[in-house]
Amino acid sequence: QKEVEQNSGPLSVPEGAIASLNCTYSDRGSQSFFWYRQYSGKSPELIMFIYSNGDKEDGRFTAQLNKASQYVSLLIRDSQPSDSATYLCAVTAPFKGGNTPLVFGKGTRLSVIA
Amino acid sequence: GAVVSQHPSRVICKSGTSVKIECRSLDFQATTMFWYRQFPKQSLMLMATSNEGSKATYEQGVEKDKFLINHASLTLSTLTVTSAHPEDSSFYICSARDGQGDYGYTFGSGTRLTVV
Repeated sequence: QKEVEQNSGPLSVPEGAIASLNCTYSDRGSQSFFWYRQYSGKSPELIMFIYSNGDKEDGRFTAQLNKASQYVSLLIRDSQPSDSATYLCAVTAPFKGGNTPLVFGKGTRLSVIA
Repeated sequence: GAVVSQHPSRVICKSGTSVKIECRSLDFQATTMFWYRQFPKQSLMLMATSNEGSKATYEQGVEKDKFLINHASLTLSTLTVTSAHPEDSSFYICSARDGQGDYGYTFGSGTRLTVV
């Protein structure tokens, strides 16, 4: 049974600071890792995905993956109040023609204080 | 990017009635769609995997006779909640992946079901 663990938070950071979100997963065979942002009452929206060890940057967001430690993180630089949301970590097994579902963590609630 | 359209966004129904939720991939073909359910302050839980032209695969604990899934075309999957009860009240979300692109998994906008 694949499990994805996240600290539920809330994580509070001041505006302009770096927010660091962490996630661990139990299935060592996991290949793809995703970060989604979910506002209250809304559907998740994709922030980033990462497949390889190391860092991947996209604007203010950086995803970090360490497969040996089964750990994936998301850094948000210059945090804005609009970043306040629940951040969901999700993992999946090797891609097989699109029929592999995502397994989600419970999410970390981030609050950026102006 | 890949877009998944889900309708209705919100529905209120009486206990004992059935509700159909539609999920469409607008700009890509989705041979597989996933249906999730999310209760308040909880994460998304996979209910079933919907495969075009074949029977859906349900997760353990999900009643296949209660949650009917039909995936008759490459762009449309439907979830019907039959004989709905208040405990079925939840946020239902569909998801698909565009195998041609690199967009990750795209989610529909979700359906808030309230059974009264």
